[in-house]
Amino acid sequence: GENVEQHPSTLSVQEGDSAVIKCTYSDSASNYFPWYKQELGKRPQLIIDIRSNVGEKKDQRIAVTLNKTAKHFSLHITETQPEDSAVYFCAASGAGGGNKLTFGTGTQLKVEL
Amino acid sequence: DGGITQSPKYLFRKEGQNVTLSCEQNLNHDAMYWYRQDPGQGLRLIYYSQIVNDFQKGDIAEGYSVSREKKESFPLTVTSAQKNPTAFYLCASSTNLVSEGAFGQGTRLTVV
Repeated sequence: GENVEQHPSTLSVQEGDSAVIKCTYSDSASNYFPWYKQELGKRPQLIIDIRSNVGEKKDQRIAVTLNKTAKHFSLHITETQPEDSAVYFCAASGAGGGNKLTFGTGTQLKVEL
Repeated sequence: DGGITQSPKYLFRKEGQNVTLSCEQNLNHDAMYWYRQDPGQGLRLIYYSQIVNDFQKGDIAEGYSVSREKKESFPLTVTSAQKNPTAFYLCASSTNLVSEGAFGQGTRLTVV
């Protein structure tokens, strides 16, 4: 089955700096890669996603890049703000895995003033 | 919001008891999922169902059971066979196309 690895597990940045979180996946048939933000005690919320026919997608301060050859994808947050502090999860899915999402282990992002 | 409702929000279980967590969705999604989240860890798949009256084991199904008698409902029973059930449980649903999942607000289960 699919295996998703996520790094780093914790990330601390200064307000205004950029943050990058990286994920690798094992199943070359995976073709959908969402990113979720989870605040303490709350449900994960989708923040951005990318499909395998696209190399990059951007939404305001958030961008995701995908390298299908290397089987890795990354989340980029620019001009970080304190409200960006949360746990971020990457995930991968595809028809080969029954469309179910396989999640990374999460990155605790802390944006310091 | 989100169209997925989990209940209760907090649940306490005595050792040796079975408890059932409710998950209902009104999004007309075909697929529903149960995940377990332990502190500082990611989401691990317990069971999932892609169609009514059918479900498959996920990565950590032992000690859990589910049913899918209606499209809208996917209850999870945590049985006494689950030796370490204290965790945050999240239900999700999606269309059967490859797409994002929408999550419920979660149930925090504690063994007392």
